[in-house]
Amino acid sequence: GENVGLHLPTLSVQEGDNSIINCAYSNSASDYFIWYKQESGKGPQFIIDIRSNMDKRQGQRVTVLLNKTVKHLSLQIAATQPGDSAVYFCAEIRSGTSYDKVIFGPGTSLSVIP
Amino acid sequence: GAVVSQHPSWVICKSGTSVKIECRSLDFQATTMFWYRQFPKQSLMLMATSNEGSKATYEQGVEKDKFLINHASLTLSTLTVTSAHPEDSSFYICSARGPTEAFFGQGTRLTVV
Repeated sequence: GENVGLHLPTLSVQEGDNSIINCAYSNSASDYFIWYKQESGKGPQFIIDIRSNMDKRQGQRVTVLLNKTVKHLSLQIAATQPGDSAVYFCAEIRSGTSYDKVIFGPGTSLSVIP
Repeated sequence: GAVVSQHPSWVICKSGTSVKIECRSLDFQATTMFWYRQFPKQSLMLMATSNEGSKATYEQGVEKDKFLINHASLTLSTLTVTSAHPEDSSFYICSARGPTEAFFGQGTRLTVV
C-alpha cells in the first residue's frame, strides 16, 4: 500500500508556546492538502486544508503554509494547549478519474508539557 | 457534521478465524469508501478503495483474498480479514467521502491471538 514513510518524529513544546510541524510531500501533481489530528485510539480528525493555488491559510489557532517549490507543508499551532497533544498527519489528495485518494504522510507526535 | 461509524471498536480473535469490520456513513451516501491499516507509531496505509456495486480496488501489496471488501449499499462497506494471523493485528480505519471532505471512522483495534 501507499505510505510516505514509517517514521514517527516527536515534538515536545511547552504549554502556551507556538508549535510548528513540518511535512514533505512526494507528488508534485498533488493540488490539495489536509492536516489531520489523531488522538490515541481514534480515527483522524480534519484540522485545516489548503489548495495548491494558495501558500497560506489560517484557521482558529492554526495556520498552514505551503511551499510548492520544495514540496513542503507546515502546520503552525498558536498558544499550544495540552489538548493539542496528538499525532499530526499531513495528507495529499490525489485525484483520480472517479474518486480522490487521501494519502497520509509519516506523522509527527506532538507532546505538550504543562 | 457528517459521521462515519465503525463496528466493532475492538475485537480479539483466534488465529485462523475471520473477522468482519463494518463501516457506515450515518447521514450521507458514499459511493466510495476507503480502508486503511495503521501499525503502532506508524502512519495510515491505504489498503483498498471500496466501490458501491463493484469490486474493490486494492493497493499494491495488499492481498485481496485475505482482505475481503464488500460495499453492498451506499452507506455500508465491510472489511473481512480472513484466516487472521497475529501479524494482522493492527488498527483498521475506514473513510467515506462526504459532500465536501473525507470523514474517518473511529477505527477498529484487531488483536489476533
